[in-house]
Amino acid sequence: GAGVSQSPRYKVAKRGQDVALRCDPISGHVSLFWYQQALGQGPEFLTYFQNEAQLDKSGLPSDRFFAERPEGSVSTLKIQRTQQEDSAVYLCASSLVGGGGGTDTQYFGPGTRLTVL
Amino acid sequence: GESVGLHLPTLSVQEGDNSIINCAYSNSASDYFIWYKQESGKGPQFIIDIRSNMDKRQGQRVTVLLNKTVKHLSLQIAATQPGDSAVYFCAENPTNMELVFGAGTILRVKS
Repeated sequence: GAGVSQSPRYKVAKRGQDVALRCDPISGHVSLFWYQQALGQGPEFLTYFQNEAQLDKSGLPSDRFFAERPEGSVSTLKIQRTQQEDSAVYLCASSLVGGGGGTDTQYFGPGTRLTVL
Repeated sequence: GESVGLHLPTLSVQEGDNSIINCAYSNSASDYFIWYKQESGKGPQFIIDIRSNMDKRQGQRVTVLLNKTVKHLSLQIAATQPGDSAVYFCAENPTNMELVFGAGTILRVKS
């Protein structure tokens, strides 16, 4: 595909349920990022992969959040025992190499809107 | 922690006028800055970027200005069109990995 894709686009979960959000980065992009965007706010960093290696997970809000990218392409963000405060849009971005500009521009997917009831 | 912020939460302009969206950043270590446009229900869309060794960069109808002395970034949109209506975010890249975003400015274009 031409851009970053994410699925599902919308997810409604009952509090306590586990959810899995998928990201398909641009083909060939080495770096993959997950961000969380609360309503009316800018995106906030969650975690970063370079190929299959998770190099930074400092933004994950709790140990209920887990991300993986086992083959260095598709990534999954999993949230266990969802809480109402997890309601947000989860954005995935990819870049050719790192995030430092030039050819390393981060391109974003459309996001998954998660609503926890 | 250090963050990127915006002066104006909402900007209304008349179609055809020029728009200026401002942003203040606080991390002097950042060497890369980006403007993104986000329309309702979509992810942020890259508009233009600038490195810290430049003070101006132009694109198609857009110009980004960087003033490192006062840590200020601005996005100028020429001849604003209804399709420019969106939320605009500035972001900085202090670690060469993740982006740090500001809160956003809503741009409304009146026809």
